[in-house]
Amino acid sequence: DAGVIQSPRHEVTEMGQEVTLRCKPISGHNSLFWYRQTMMRGLELLIYFNNNVPIDDSGMPEDRFSAKMPNASFSTLKIQPSEPRDSAVYFCASSLMSFNSPLHFGNGTRLTVT
Amino acid sequence: EDKVVQSPLSLVVHEGDTVTLNCSYEVTNFRSLLWYKQEKKAPTFLFMLTSSGIEKKSGRLSSILDKKELFSILNITATQTGDSAIYLCAHPPGGGSQGNLIFGKGTKLSVKP
Repeated sequence: DAGVIQSPRHEVTEMGQEVTLRCKPISGHNSLFWYRQTMMRGLELLIYFNNNVPIDDSGMPEDRFSAKMPNASFSTLKIQPSEPRDSAVYFCASSLMSFNSPLHFGNGTRLTVT
Repeated sequence: EDKVVQSPLSLVVHEGDTVTLNCSYEVTNFRSLLWYKQEKKAPTFLFMLTSSGIEKKSGRLSSILDKKELFSILNITATQTGDSAIYLCAHPPGGGSQGNLIFGKGTKLSVKP
């Protein structure tokens, strides 16, 4: 089991640039979650998908953020245009869509926007 | 509004000490409370608690839930330097999916040799 795979591990970009973060969930998991972690706010859910369908995107900060899940094995989180306040660690996590199934997190993408 | 509050925010102990981490919560439709350990990278799952008074145990770590008083504790006995991490408490708001979680800010535990 390769676990949840995220790329890139680190991303440094300038304000105004487009950033795309990628995630491959654990095979067989049918729920996928994007979280953001900062010192000030801790871990916050941005959006999650069940069976590739976005269920709740109320955590997405604003229209600059968008997420897609074109198939069961791939998801992207895009920020366009990026701003310095977007700097954070972005985690992708997956699980089975059942009550007793815990989240499995990827190692995160550390985003720095200058 | 559902929320999770952890205390202390940080803790420094020496190897061999026993520590207790606290998590209090407010939730409209309780289903479960979860503990995660975050070292340098990804949070990893420790425990899921659903019933009051039943202790979950894994090695030197144990956790228990009090649904009446709305809190949970995580105990670590005979701490080791490898226990140094951020310990996160979380619950699914409104009885939602186990992955749609509200996390506390965490307790940063540092174990000194």
